[in-house]
Amino acid sequence: KNEVEQSPQNLTAQEGEFITINCSYSVGISALHWLQQHPGGGIVSLFMLSSGKKKHGRLIATINIQEKHSSLHITASHPRDSAVYICAVTGSDTGNQFYFGTGTSLTVIP
Amino acid sequence: DAGITQSPRHKVTETGTPVTLRCHQTENHRYMYWYRQDPGHGLRLIHYSYGVKDTDKGEVSDGYSVSRSKTEDFLLTLESATSSQTSVYFCAISAGGGYTFGSGTRLTVV
Repeated sequence: KNEVEQSPQNLTAQEGEFITINCSYSVGISALHWLQQHPGGGIVSLFMLSSGKKKHGRLIATINIQEKHSSLHITASHPRDSAVYICAVTGSDTGNQFYFGTGTSLTVIP
Repeated sequence: DAGITQSPRHKVTETGTPVTLRCHQTENHRYMYWYRQDPGHGLRLIHYSYGVKDTDKGEVSDGYSVSRSKTEDFLLTLESATSSQTSVYFCAISAGGGYTFGSGTRLTVV
């Protein structure tokens, strides 16, 4: 049983395309996180959100608490966006512990 | 991230040997975590600590032990390494609802 499900698992896009990665979760949460991991690299936190929408450069994250769903959008995608994007949630009754999705591997082709 | 470092970055060891991975933080955070990352599984919690000498098991703790004698250091020990413990290990610290990850340790057990 996975508390956090992501789709798609793999995604290939042409440079410039608009990209959407989806995340659904089944537990009550206090926050949802989007993380980025480049090949062979470390894990970087992109967003932490508990409601509404956040934007950072070409990245936009939204969350719908009622539907237990979040999306990560990338506008005007670029090859340097190629990475694994991981959705994670902090359970509302699990203290500081996270539940992680298995990640979406994005490849942006020039 | 400048606040958290893992060592070593890479290690190859033989089956049956003990291995210790180190996580060091300069942020004085209370919560520290050890995860392993494997294809198809995402990040899975091994052990975590909520203070000096206060630790607890995660979902994949079998074969691993941890120690935290100082706030800044969290050690992960494989008492007798097995091939199934070949993985990438990430340390993380938690503060303000967010996570900061170390750069990871790639461990190969041959």
